[in-house]
Amino acid sequence: LAKTTQPISMDSYEGQEVNITCSHNNIATNDYITWYQQFPSQGPRFIIQGYKTKVTNEVASLFIPADRKSSTLSLPRVSLSDTAVYYCLPYTYGSGNTGKLIFGQGTTLQVKP
Amino acid sequence: GAVVSQHPSRVICKSGTSVKIECRSLDFQATTMFWYRQFPKKSLMLMATSNEGSKATYEQGVEKDKFLINHASLTLSTLTVTSAHPEDSSFYICSASNLGERAEAFFGQGTRLTVV
Repeated sequence: LAKTTQPISMDSYEGQEVNITCSHNNIATNDYITWYQQFPSQGPRFIIQGYKTKVTNEVASLFIPADRKSSTLSLPRVSLSDTAVYYCLPYTYGSGNTGKLIFGQGTTLQVKP
Repeated sequence: GAVVSQHPSRVICKSGTSVKIECRSLDFQATTMFWYRQFPKKSLMLMATSNEGSKATYEQGVEKDKFLINHASLTLSTLTVTSAHPEDSSFYICSASNLGERAEAFFGQGTRLTVV
């Protein structure tokens, strides 16, 4: 599995857009990039996944450039409730993978009023 | 969406006793589930892969005799922490995947184990 690198922590203010970048230089051809969110004392929750270009859902956008060596999670107009740890993980989608995820350090986002 | 339920959410036990944690996939069958451990302000560490009807696969450094895993049905995996000690105190989380259009894993709520 590709190794990922994210900033350990980030601060933001309510209403701002937050962009969290993840480096994954050795991502494999059949790897997707997934992002998870974790609140204290809870299990992680899936946010978004992508392979290339841009993906948007009701929660976030994910930008993956053509070389796929990095990805950027964009959270529009954050609120205090977005304070959490955000994990970027490669996921080898296809036969043989049963859902195993290896977590890196994650990025702790602190949203301030 | 698919839900994974974990029970109990919090447990306190005495040193030397055993504790069982249940992980259920509520609306899909999971031939494979995963158990993670998380220390305060740290990331999730994969402990083992629970395989329905067969032995679990443990990650390097995880004692299989300390952390017994049973996956007797397609919707239930259990983790038993045997002869618990204070250093086993941690947050334990299970997950399962319903591999469909999204590469999405569903996580339980987690179990806070405190050994006194």
